[in-house]
Amino acid sequence: EIVMTQSPATLSVSPGERATLSCRASQSVSSNLAWYQQKPGQAPRLFISGASTRATGIPARFSGSGSATEFTLTITSLQSEDFAVYYCQQYSYWPLTFGGGTKVEIK
Amino acid sequence: QAQLQESGPGLVKPSETLSLTCTVSGASIRGYYWSWIRQPPGKGLEWIGYMHDSGASNYNPSLKSRVTLSVDTSKNQFSLKLSSVTAADTAVYYCARRVTGNDAFDVWGQGTTVTVSS
Repeated sequence: EIVMTQSPATLSVSPGERATLSCRASQSVSSNLAWYQQKPGQAPRLFISGASTRATGIPARFSGSGSATEFTLTITSLQSEDFAVYYCQQYSYWPLTFGGGTKVEIK
Repeated sequence: QAQLQESGPGLVKPSETLSLTCTVSGASIRGYYWSWIRQPPGKGLEWIGYMHDSGASNYNPSLKSRVTLSVDTSKNQFSLKLSSVTAADTAVYYCARRVTGNDAFDVWGQGTTVTVSS
């Protein structure tokens, strides 16, 4: 099973600042990596797939990068609605696995 | 636009079988892969398995021996059965649709909370 490790667990950022979230895979998953946003009481929402392709309706301030084992989700100029938990997911190998999440909170 | 809605008992006794249904509206269930994903309280996400209306399926090995997935195209629904439940199976259960061409999930239900307790 591929283990996905996200860091940091919590990221405190001021509105308008930049946030950089990391996701590491225990072995190469190529670009088969997705990012999700989850707000309290809601289902996750797909933000990025293919490591860098934004889903429909996702603002351009969200960008994904990386390949193989190291991935990054960058949020430029954080807005109030961006404070949430973000999960990465690999879909290169079965079983599909998720990272433990990074909580982006208001500083 | 596809919408998913989970339904089923919110409380299941230990050793019994958890049964959930996901109703798909706004789109056909045919031609897509449908998954169940769960999230224990305060924890991360765990993929349970997926099924296609063709009968193709895949399961998380950690749950495979206890999981049965099925698709009912006549009702536009797919279902999850998880047998011999314990408290560790207490979670929010989500149904989700796989993105065409990869294994990310682009449409999710709102989730349903299932508690295992006597």
